[in-house]
Amino acid sequence: ETVMTQSPVTLSVSPGERVTLSCRASQSLGSNLAWYQQKPGQSPRLLIYGASTRATGVPARFSGGGSETEFTLTISSLQSEDFAVFYCQQYNHWPWTFGQGTKVEIK
Amino acid sequence: QVQLQQSGPGLVTPSQTLSLTCAISGDSVSSNLVTWNWIRQSPSRGLEWLGRTYYRSKWSNDYADSVKGRITVNPDTSKNQFSLQLKSVTPEDTAVYYCVRVRGGVFESWGQGSLVTVSS
Repeated sequence: ETVMTQSPVTLSVSPGERVTLSCRASQSLGSNLAWYQQKPGQSPRLLIYGASTRATGVPARFSGGGSETEFTLTISSLQSEDFAVFYCQQYNHWPWTFGQGTKVEIK
Repeated sequence: QVQLQQSGPGLVTPSQTLSLTCAISGDSVSSNLVTWNWIRQSPSRGLEWLGRTYYRSKWSNDYADSVKGRITVNPDTSKNQFSLQLKSVTPEDTAVYYCVRVRGGVFESWGQGSLVTVSS
């Protein structure tokens, strides 16, 4: 099973700051990686797939990068509604697996 | 736009069967472009994929090793929905359960989540 490791576990950030989250895979994924955002009490929401393609309706301040085993999610200017937990997920190797999440909290 | 509406009891007695249903609107459970999945989330396990059903000329299922032997995911074409049954539950099965539409490995659309507590 492919292990997904996210860092950091928690990130304390001020609104307006640029944020970069990392996701590392235990084996090569090509570009078969997705990112999800989960706010308290809500279901996860798809943000990015194919490592860098934004899902429908996702603001342009969210961008994904990387390939193979190293991936990033960048939020160019953090808005108040962006504070949440972010998960990466690989879909290159069966079974699909998720990272443990990075919580982005208000500083 | 697809919507997934979950239903089922929030409290299950240990050793009994957990049963949840996911009603689909805006798509068909018989679509050959997507799969219909169940995932659960708990503080100890994080997001854990459990199983799926899908139609590709015939119906098929896949299940996670962690629950294989206890889990059944079934489609119901007459009601355009699919279900989860998890047998012989223990308190470790306490979690929020989600039904999810998956296309090409991407978890596109999620149900609202169902907190299921296993307790006597």
